Amino acid sequence: GESVGLHLPTLSVQEGDNSIINCAYSNSASDYFIWYKQESGKGPQFIIDIRSNMDKRQGQRVTVLLNKTVKHLSLQIAATQPGDSAVYFCAENFPRGTGNQFYFGTGTSLTVIP
Amino acid sequence: DAGITQSPRHKVTETGTPVTLRCHQTENHRYMYWYRQDPGHGLRLIHYSYGVKDTDKGEVSDGYSVSRSKTEDFLLTLESATSSQTSVYFCAIGNRGGQPQHFGDGTRLSIL
Repeated sequence: GESVGLHLPTLSVQEGDNSIINCAYSNSASDYFIWYKQESGKGPQFIIDIRSNMDKRQGQRVTVLLNKTVKHLSLQIAATQPGDSAVYFCAENFPRGTGNQFYFGTGTSLTVIP
Repeated sequence: DAGITQSPRHKVTETGTPVTLRCHQTENHRYMYWYRQDPGHGLRLIHYSYGVKDTDKGEVSDGYSVSRSKTEDFLLTLESATSSQTSVYFCAIGNRGGQPQHFGDGTRLSIL
């Protein structure tokens, strides 16, 4: 996932607009990815996942795009609502031997302006 | 919401004291995980369990131990807390190895 300093990247969008949140992942061999949403004082919440044999996956108001060539993930949120304000981060699953290693990015803070 | 309860939710303690955090699940998931979350870092795995009495280390396991005597409970112990262990701790569960699906709401631990 993206590596940033102490300050998270921020994104502010107007209510009703579409949001695009980006993530650069680390390992070209990673085979599974998850986007999480984390609201203040809460634990991460699963939003959508995608396997490496797919380029795109859609959920309810959310779409994840995977570009393996440049090791990039994006999360698109349609018609962004105030309740979408949160930190969003991606995670990648890297197969290692007989197990898996999951790596988490540091996240992007999304603020929705009413 | 997945049935994961962490306790306590907040704790302040002094350097050198032992601390135990508890995670309780009602989902009967096989895998349970402890992570810590710090500014500037993504979630980092401390320890995980793949069954009753079966545990293994994660990437930041030094200074921590775990136990799982029942499917539903996973305990994280700091034997002698240090200020560097001040963090927010999350428990997670899942049914696939290495892939946490559901998280608890965290324990905010401050070590003075």
